[in-house]
Amino acid sequence: DIQMTQSPSSLSASVGDRVSITCRASQNIFTYLNWYQQKPGKAPKLLIYTASNLQTGVPSRFSGSGSGTDFTLTISSLQPEDSATYYCQQSYATPPYTFGQGTNLEIK
Amino acid sequence: QVQVQESGPGLVKPSETLSLSCTVSGGSINYYYWSWMRQTPGKGLQWIGDISFSGSTNYNPSLKSRVSISIDTSKNQISLSLRSVTAADTAVYYCAREVRGVPPEINWFHPWGQGTLVTVSS
Repeated sequence: DIQMTQSPSSLSASVGDRVSITCRASQNIFTYLNWYQQKPGKAPKLLIYTASNLQTGVPSRFSGSGSGTDFTLTISSLQPEDSATYYCQQSYATPPYTFGQGTNLEIK
Repeated sequence: QVQVQESGPGLVKPSETLSLSCTVSGGSINYYYWSWMRQTPGKGLQWIGDISFSGSTNYNPSLKSRVSISIDTSKNQISLSLRSVTAADTAVYYCAREVRGVPPEINWFHPWGQGTLVTVSS
């Protein structure tokens, strides 16, 4: 299985900050990488697909970049409603699809 | 817009079979793959398997010996069976639509159901 490792596991930032979350794959996955946001008690919600494509309806302050083994999710100006856990997921080598362990983002 | 809803027993006894249903509304079940995932505090998000509208399945090798996924296009429903459950199978179970592109490595999960908590306990 391809292992997905996110860093940091948790972070705290202030409203208006620029925040980046990193996801590293254990092998080359090209750009077959998706990002999800999950709020407590809710299902994950798709934010970014194939590394850099913004899902319809997702605010433009979210962006994704990267290819190969290293990927980044960036929030350009953090908002209070962005408090959530963020997950990356690879779709290159399946089965199985695999997810990162999550990054818990807290607003100061 | 398409909505997905999981349903089934919230409590299953050890060694028995966990059975869940996923009902799709607001759109057709056809022409898509449909996945089951689960989430636990300890192991995070785990993909269980998927099924196409024509009934072709893929399973996570770690669960393959115990899992079956089926589809009923007339009812817009996908079903999950997990046999011989233990406490380690306690989790929130999610159903989600797979959006696939070309090549098939281009895919993602959207939308997800709200999830259903299944506890394995006697």
